[in-house]
Amino acid sequence: DIVMTQSPLSLPVTPGEPASISCRCSQSLLHSDGYNYLDWYLQKPGQSPQLLIYLGSNRASGVPDRFSGSGSGTDFTLKINKVEAEDVGIYYCMQGLQIPVTFGQGTRLEIK
Amino acid sequence: DVQLVESGGGLVQPGGSLRLSCAASGFTFSSHWMTWVRQAPGKGFEWVANINEDGSEKSCVNSLKGRCIISRDNAKNSLYLQMNSLRADDTAIYYCAKTHPGYYSDWGQGTLVTVSS
Repeated sequence: DIVMTQSPLSLPVTPGEPASISCRCSQSLLHSDGYNYLDWYLQKPGQSPQLLIYLGSNRASGVPDRFSGSGSGTDFTLKINKVEAEDVGIYYCMQGLQIPVTFGQGTRLEIK
Repeated sequence: DVQLVESGGGLVQPGGSLRLSCAASGFTFSSHWMTWVRQAPGKGFEWVANINEDGSEKSCVNSLKGRCIISRDNAKNSLYLQMNSLRADDTAIYYCAKTHPGYYSDWGQGTLVTVSS
């Protein structure tokens, strides 16, 4: 199985400041179609997960443009340009390249 | 709008069985793979099973092999997960997800399965 490792696991952020989460994978997620099969999800408190970024760098419908995804192969980053209070929750990376699909441990973002 | 509504969870004794359902609306259900993902209390996510558009291809996580049957009824826009010989470590919220190549665009609200005597 592909192992996904996120860092940090806890991320206190002041509103208006930027935030960055790293996701490293035990093998390359670059598919022959040219896409990296790496996604980012946010699980807000008491809610089901919502898709933020798919295939490495594509923002999902309705996701604010302060969220961006980058990286290729085994190293990926989710960046939040200016954190807002509504961004609190747990962020997960997920590889969709092979079955079983696997997830990172999650990064808890909290507001300082 | 896409809606996915899971049902069928509850308290079940170890060794028991459950059939979860996911009612889909707001999209062409028969055109999409579908997936079940679970989340143990306070934990991260674990992929459980997926099924292709017409139900001819399906797969379950190794820890549920022989205990898991995923199926769908495209006429009813519904997805199912039958789990047998349930164990305490199957306790989790089970989510269904609308599936695209490499990602899950929409998730239901989940249904809680608790395996306990």
